[in-house]
Amino acid sequence: DIQMTQSPSSLSASVGDRVTITCRASQGIRNYLAWFQQKPGKAPKSLIYAASSLQSGVPSKFSGSGSGTDFTLTISSLQPDDSATYYCQQYNSYPLTFGGGTKVEIK
Amino acid sequence: EVQLLESGGGFVQPGGSLRVSCAASGFTFSNYAMSWVRQAPGKGPEWVGSITGRGESTYYADSVKGRFTISRDNSKNTLYLQMNSLRVEDTAVYYCAKDIMMDYWGQGTLVTGS
Repeated sequence: DIQMTQSPSSLSASVGDRVTITCRASQGIRNYLAWFQQKPGKAPKSLIYAASSLQSGVPSKFSGSGSGTDFTLTISSLQPDDSATYYCQQYNSYPLTFGGGTKVEIK
Repeated sequence: EVQLLESGGGFVQPGGSLRVSCAASGFTFSNYAMSWVRQAPGKGPEWVGSITGRGESTYYADSVKGRFTISRDNSKNTLYLQMNSLRVEDTAVYYCAKDIMMDYWGQGTLVTGS
């Protein structure tokens, strides 16, 4: 199984800060990586697919990069509404697997 | 607009069975694989399984293999998850999601087994 490791597990940043979350796969997954945002009591929402493609309707302040085993999600200018938990997920091979999540809080 | 609407969750005794459904609209259902994902209280999402667009192949997490069955009725644009031999640790919100990249999710249905 492919293990997905996210870091950090949590972070606290100020409004306007640039925030970067990292996701590492235990083996190469090409660019078959998605990023999700989840707020309490809600379903996860897709932000990024194919490592760097923005889902329709998602603000351009979210961006993704990487290929192979190392990936990043960047929020260019953090806003209060971005407070959430973010997950990566690989869909290169079964079983599909998620990272452990990064909880983003606003200072 | 893509919409996914789960139903059928509830309380089940350990060892019991339950079937949850996911009604899809806003896209050509038969063209897409579909997935089930669950999330236990306070935990991250866990993939349960997926089914190809025509239903010819299914894939399962080891934790549910042999107990859960995914199926679909493309004439009704509906996805199913049959859960048998339920365990306490199957307690979770169950989501259906479009495709294996999960670009759209339903609102989830709570399955409680205790």
